[in-house]
Amino acid sequence: SQQGEEDPQALSIQEGENATMNCSYKTSINNLQWYRQNSGRGLVHLILIRSNEREKHSGRLRVTLDTSKKSSSLLITASRAADTASYFCATDPTGGFKTIFGAGTRLFVKA
Amino acid sequence: DTGVSQDPRHKITKRGQNVTFRCDPISEHNRLYWYRQTLGQGPEFLTYFQNEAQLEKSRLLSDRFSAERPKGSFSTLEIQRTEQGDSAMYLCASSLVFLAGGRNEQFFGPGTRLTVL
Repeated sequence: SQQGEEDPQALSIQEGENATMNCSYKTSINNLQWYRQNSGRGLVHLILIRSNEREKHSGRLRVTLDTSKKSSSLLITASRAADTASYFCATDPTGGFKTIFGAGTRLFVKA
Repeated sequence: DTGVSQDPRHKITKRGQNVTFRCDPISEHNRLYWYRQTLGQGPEFLTYFQNEAQLEKSRLLSDRFSAERPKGSFSTLEIQRTEQGDSAMYLCASSLVFLAGGRNEQFFGPGTRLTVL
């Protein structure tokens, strides 16, 4: 079974608004990553946050990690129509080799 | 193009046939992953190689599935006696990680879409 779970499953916003997606996981991790996938294509790595970090920024992206709650959030500010995609969180559990993805949040940004 | 490549991009086969997919990772990457993704779901881990060694296999990888990475470079994923339930996108990813627990940013290929009739 997949460890990560994203919330919401789908999100529709207007261009210029902020989009927030949440991810929860079950076990201790080395790091957590967020990926984007455009329809029918491979995944693109967005940002990685280590287990000892609480917040990271990359351009219009802001990721937070709360290891006590086993949760993370991805904030996309000033969204654009080109941000329309599915967003997945992925965790590397401590002591394992597999990377575990959630089911994703489908973001639709209306122009 | 120095990204991850996969071949073929699409494969249509009849139930019961064998299929083989190839993945060429980024050349200096030591880790290689195979995932399966069905519509509306996230990628599901299938197997992982550290150089040429296959270190972990998912329970999803039944006896009909086998993967190899013979020289620690490209990898193949074979599905024998395909079933309709095998229809999915098969994704390959590679990364460069030196230490356990290190930064594992994975670079994905475009995937092979398998349709079993």
